[in-house]
Amino acid sequence: AQTVTQSQPEMSVQEAETVTLSCTYDTSESDYYLFWYKQPPSRQMILVIRQEAYKQQNATENRFSVNFQKAAKSFSLKISDSQLGDAAMYFCAYRRGNQFYFGTGTSLTVIP
Amino acid sequence: SAVISQKPSRDICQRGTSLTIQCQVDSQVTMMFWYRQQPGQSLTLIATANQGSEATYESGFVIDKFPISRPNLTFSTLTVSNMSPEDSSIYLCSATRGGRQPQHFGDGTRLSIL
Repeated sequence: AQTVTQSQPEMSVQEAETVTLSCTYDTSESDYYLFWYKQPPSRQMILVIRQEAYKQQNATENRFSVNFQKAAKSFSLKISDSQLGDAAMYFCAYRRGNQFYFGTGTSLTVIP
Repeated sequence: SAVISQKPSRDICQRGTSLTIQCQVDSQVTMMFWYRQQPGQSLTLIATANQGSEATYESGFVIDKFPISRPNLTFSTLTVSNMSPEDSSIYLCSATRGGRQPQHFGDGTRLSIL
């Protein structure tokens, strides 16, 4: 069974600093997709970044980047130059075919 | 990416009544999902809404309690039937196109049962 683990229920970061959120997953597959979602207090889940397992290059979207370690089944999210608007719950997700699995989330606080 | 409209955004309902939540996508999608989420918690998948056939329910969720319709490739409804306070939660609709695409989510429905 595929599972997604986020071991940090809560994290905090000073504004303008960098923070890394951890995610590990369990799979026996070689072809799959990984995502990070952000859910601010307004509730809507927003896609932050995605990574295809067959790509070795780490995905980057502006201040957001991932460290994808396929052998270690690790998919961490790095947020650079943190902003107050980055405060939210962050969910890691795995997709294989029609199956999606979400982690338990990390609540990120940004300290002014 | 797909834009998903979900309504109502919130409701307060009496015990024993039913509420239908609507989910409209601005383009055709292959899969639609319904989730339940307690504040500050992760998502729990209720079911996958299948176009033209019965929804596929996850363990712990049954059709009599959570009937789902999906009459076409852009629309689905979830009904929460015979509600009790335990059903108070946020209900999220999501959709995806096939293959490598992520899910996109509606704004959610915050449901409170008195």
